[in-house]
Amino acid sequence: GQQLNQSPQSMFIQEGEDVSMNCTSSSIFNTWLWYKQDPGEGPVLLIALYKAGELTSNGRLTAQFGITRKDSFLNISASIPSDVGIYFCAGPLLNAGGTSYGKLTFGQGTILTVHP
Amino acid sequence: AAGVIQSPRHLIKEKRETATLKCYPIPRHDTVYWYQQGPGQDPQFLISFYEKMQSDKGSIPDRFSAQQFSDYHSELNMSSLELGDSALYFCASSDRTSGSTDTQYFGPGTRLTVL
Repeated sequence: GQQLNQSPQSMFIQEGEDVSMNCTSSSIFNTWLWYKQDPGEGPVLLIALYKAGELTSNGRLTAQFGITRKDSFLNISASIPSDVGIYFCAGPLLNAGGTSYGKLTFGQGTILTVHP
Repeated sequence: AAGVIQSPRHLIKEKRETATLKCYPIPRHDTVYWYQQGPGQDPQFLISFYEKMQSDKGSIPDRFSAQQFSDYHSELNMSSLELGDSALYFCASSDRTSGSTDTQYFGPGTRLTVL
């Protein structure tokens, strides 16, 4: 089953609005990654988070690693038309020893549409 | 900055044919991952290699095989292609030696269409 639950599944917003999306899991993660994917293209890494509670910004994007290590959110401020795309959270599953397998599991994605 | 390179970008094959997808990781990255993404789906892990050795395996069909070469590039070989193999195939790379094995950078993908 899906290890990461991402919401919302889609968002329709006006240019200039702020956007927030989040991912939750029943499992803990040591790393949270946020990617943006355009149709037919590869996921582009936006933000990487490595410590519980970490808050990281990249331009208009801000992401946080939840203190329980089971959730993360991504905020986009003052959206612009080029923000359109699919946003994925992702993280590497941990083995029984608490270390990472490396392979990523992804959320279902949030489809963002920005109206000019 | 150099990114992950994949070739070809598009590939059209007939059922039961074979296909080879190539991936060139970011320079000095030692780990390569392959993912498959169906329409409207999130990427699904297939297989990974570290220092030319298979390090993990996901839901990869027995008809598929892969390897990593001495220059760290990787190839995904797909045989007896089926209609259901039509998908986007991504390669990602990371630098395990630096401790950033979890931070993966994706290539542009190969769109495989099986007719």
